[in-house]
Amino acid sequence: ETGVTQTPRHLVMGMTNKKSLKCEQHLGHNAMYWYKQSAKKPLELMFVYNFKEQTENNSVPSRFSPECPNSSHLFLHLHTLQPEDSALYLCASSQNFLSRFGNEQFFGPGTRLTVL
Amino acid sequence: GIQVEQSPPDLILQEGANSTLRCNFSDSVNNLQWFHQNPWGQLINLFYIPSGTKQNGRLSATTVATERYSLLYISSSQTTDSGVYFCAVDPYNQGGKLIFGQGTELSVKP
Repeated sequence: ETGVTQTPRHLVMGMTNKKSLKCEQHLGHNAMYWYKQSAKKPLELMFVYNFKEQTENNSVPSRFSPECPNSSHLFLHLHTLQPEDSALYLCASSQNFLSRFGNEQFFGPGTRLTVL
Repeated sequence: GIQVEQSPPDLILQEGANSTLRCNFSDSVNNLQWFHQNPWGQLINLFYIPSGTKQNGRLSATTVATERYSLLYISSSQTTDSGVYFCAVDPYNQGGKLIFGQGTELSVKP
């Protein structure tokens, strides 16, 4: 148990569906992240939020739309996805990446997404 | 951008054996983390180690920041150690994002 939870754990959706992934952290952190991991590949950063403000969008297609209503919650809204978007989506949190105490990141269990 | 290379890409061990995993990075970093990804995809934090040496049970890690590499030692390996080991670095002035290596896939046989 890392203190970061994600729901749902598994999601199957059609290309015309709209769905949302949810992440919640119970660590009192101020930075939250979305990463994507395609099969047999390392994690790739998608978005970074620090104190609810988006600070990084790593050239992610607009069919992925993040939302961070507060420092404890992060959402990833999905619409008109493609089969190649099938992957494991991981959420992480850290104290604050500007903190002088460091930026150790803790990950949730991930949502395994299949797009048909 | 910064490059992170891990070796070996795959490793098969007999239970009880020791191993060393290596992570090389091409530029200075704020910090470095080692993770173990289990078969269900969960990333488990092993070490947060921008420099120096740390130990946790059968695992230990050493980062030599000036020479841009880190080593993860696994002693007396167990079947539950199987999975993929990632190192990830937080480069300077990159907004806190982690850059991951390709991983080392470890299989420990009974």
